[in-house]
Amino acid sequence: EVQLVESGGGLVQPGRSLRLSCTASGFTFGDYAMSWVRQAPGKGLEWVGFIRSKAYGGTTEYAASVKGRFTISRDDSKSIAYLQMNSLKTEDTAVYYCTRGLLYGMDVWGQGTTVTVSS
Amino acid sequence: DIQLTQSPSFLSASVGDRVTITCRASQGISSYLAWYQQKPGKAPKLLIYAASTLQSGVPSRFSGSGSGTEFTLTISSLQPEDFATYYCQQLNSYPSTFGQGTKVEIK
Repeated sequence: EVQLVESGGGLVQPGRSLRLSCTASGFTFGDYAMSWVRQAPGKGLEWVGFIRSKAYGGTTEYAASVKGRFTISRDDSKSIAYLQMNSLKTEDTAVYYCTRGLLYGMDVWGQGTTVTVSS
Repeated sequence: DIQLTQSPSFLSASVGDRVTITCRASQGISSYLAWYQQKPGKAPKLLIYAASTLQSGVPSRFSGSGSGTEFTLTISSLQPEDFATYYCQQLNSYPSTFGQGTKVEIK
């Protein structure tokens, strides 16, 4: 079964850091770009960023709201994608979803992990 | 950034109705558009990609059309399980962006 499982969410104070993990199974992880999408409480979807597969350079793109603070990386040997979040703000409070792919739609989604930024 | 505007934001319809949701882009995005369905408390689900290609396993009552700046998602005969929020997403340029969503509720 193709599956993505996020972990690492929780309550964190403003200005602190948090790292989310996305563990993939059921497909050849290294063949796919991986994206992160978030959803603030009661709001719509916001694309956070993505990382290309190694075949396409493994490079990253980010939304302006997180650029310079968030970093996406991947460990193909472990089938894990990461979202390192630094200098967190209250407006980063959201459910964070890991997804597979981007250019042709994000076809597999994790269940989401909740990040709450509050003092 | 490319802005996507969905209309309507809210839609009330009955089972069996034909429903159309529009997504307009602030600049041309060719056919790099996807549609998602999200139910409360659940992750979104990909319905359509490349503007008109039905994702595997998605019922054929869903269809997408358009290119450039105007796109539509059509549900030919609304079913009880289709009551949800629908989002469009542009994949033409970075950052990728979503529309604000269209909530489809039971009349």
